[in-house]
Amino acid sequence: GQQVKQSSPSLTVQEGGISILNCDYENDMFDYFAWYKKYPDNSPTLLISVRSNVDKREDGRLTVFLNKSGKHFSLHITASQPEDTAVYLCAAGENQGGSAKLIFGEGTKLTVSS
Amino acid sequence: DMKVTQMPRYLIKRMGENVLLECGQDMSHETMYWYRQDPGLGLQLIYISYDVDSNSEGDIPKGYRVSRKKREHFSLILDSAKTNQTSVYFCASSLGTGDSAETLYFGSGTRLTVL
Repeated sequence: GQQVKQSSPSLTVQEGGISILNCDYENDMFDYFAWYKKYPDNSPTLLISVRSNVDKREDGRLTVFLNKSGKHFSLHITASQPEDTAVYLCAAGENQGGSAKLIFGEGTKLTVSS
Repeated sequence: DMKVTQMPRYLIKRMGENVLLECGQDMSHETMYWYRQDPGLGLQLIYISYDVDSNSEGDIPKGYRVSRKKREHFSLILDSAKTNQTSVYFCASSLGTGDSAETLYFGSGTRLTVL
């Protein structure tokens, strides 16, 4: 089965609103969680990541919330802008001596309408 | 300039032909990856390489093999390509140590079509 799952394939938010993207995972051993952003015909790039020793990390308009007991993490984008329109991929993995075998979700296509 | 370079960008092959996808990185990263992306499935890990000649299967290795003879190069080989291997293939690398050990840097992808 899918170890990392994004249940919403798409999300539409009004400009200026808060975008909330969700991700669920199955493996208790995962200790690294990340969100990547992908524009069409481009490669994914890291937005923000968090390790399992914290339950929240903020970076500008982005906040990651980690709920370890619920095996769930989310990305909140405040003051959403049209340029935030993209596919967002969540990823989780277990740090193995520095590298992590990252498992990705299916992606959520975010559209920010003006 | 930190970069992961994939060649070719687009490739069309016939069923049964051999396929070689090349990937290079100029960051001296230890770890390199091959993923494929299909609609509705996200990125699926094919192989991971922890260093030269230190390769490990990912989640969907069947039908693929890899080669890493130099740290900066990681090749994906399809012996006798199948139509269900039509996909977009992404190579990535990560430093493997330090605070950003797990950050993946992706190449621009190779769109492979197997007819």
